[in-house]
Amino acid sequence: DGGITQSPKYLFRKEGQNVTLSCEQNLNHDAMYWYRQDPGQGLRLIYYSQIVNDFQKGDIAEGYSVSREKKESFPLTVTSAQKNPTAFYLCASTRTSGAPYNEQFFGPGTRLTVL
Amino acid sequence: GENVEQHPSTLSVQEGDSAVIKCTYSDSASNYFPWYKQELGKRPQLIIDIRSNVGEKKDQRIAVTLNKTAKHFSLHITETQPEDSAVYFCAATLNTGTASKLTFGTGTRLQVTL
Repeated sequence: DGGITQSPKYLFRKEGQNVTLSCEQNLNHDAMYWYRQDPGQGLRLIYYSQIVNDFQKGDIAEGYSVSREKKESFPLTVTSAQKNPTAFYLCASTRTSGAPYNEQFFGPGTRLTVL
Repeated sequence: GENVEQHPSTLSVQEGDSAVIKCTYSDSASNYFPWYKQELGKRPQLIIDIRSNVGEKKDQRIAVTLNKTAKHFSLHITETQPEDSAVYFCAATLNTGTASKLTFGTGTRLQVTL
């Protein structure tokens, strides 16, 4: 089903807590991405990584952190500094060589709710 | 950076009619324009894409057109069916062979009525 998995599917967080969302892919893709989706809005890029041990901020990185220690994994931590973290979080990956190399494959998403 | 505007935000058509969704982009360097379909609570899935060296691309009932001069591109769905009901997103990026930062439109909710 696309080769990208995200866990958990639903996550509840108390204010002040950090939580980590998991994203794993077995597509051998080099690049991975995290997006946030709010109702009635498009997807907004949080962080992305082109290669292991390297990542760049997207458009809305404040209050989030990532790591890329393995090619297959790109976890996202939502810190207590993120003021409005309730949203649907989507992870994606893509090839960066060969053709076609543009298509981003998405995971099933994690719905985060702050209590 | 790139800015993508999409309209309409909602679109209701009768089964069998055509649907058209339009997007404009700001960065003339963008060269890759995908369209994603997202059903309620599900992941976005690519339905069609077009590169800047092509003006039109068709895949069965779905087609995309690109006007680089005007910086707009459109999704056309013919003979709509109830299963076409979903939210559709356009996106644009400058693809350089490395990680591409897609900029998405805000989405169009398409409702196909019987």
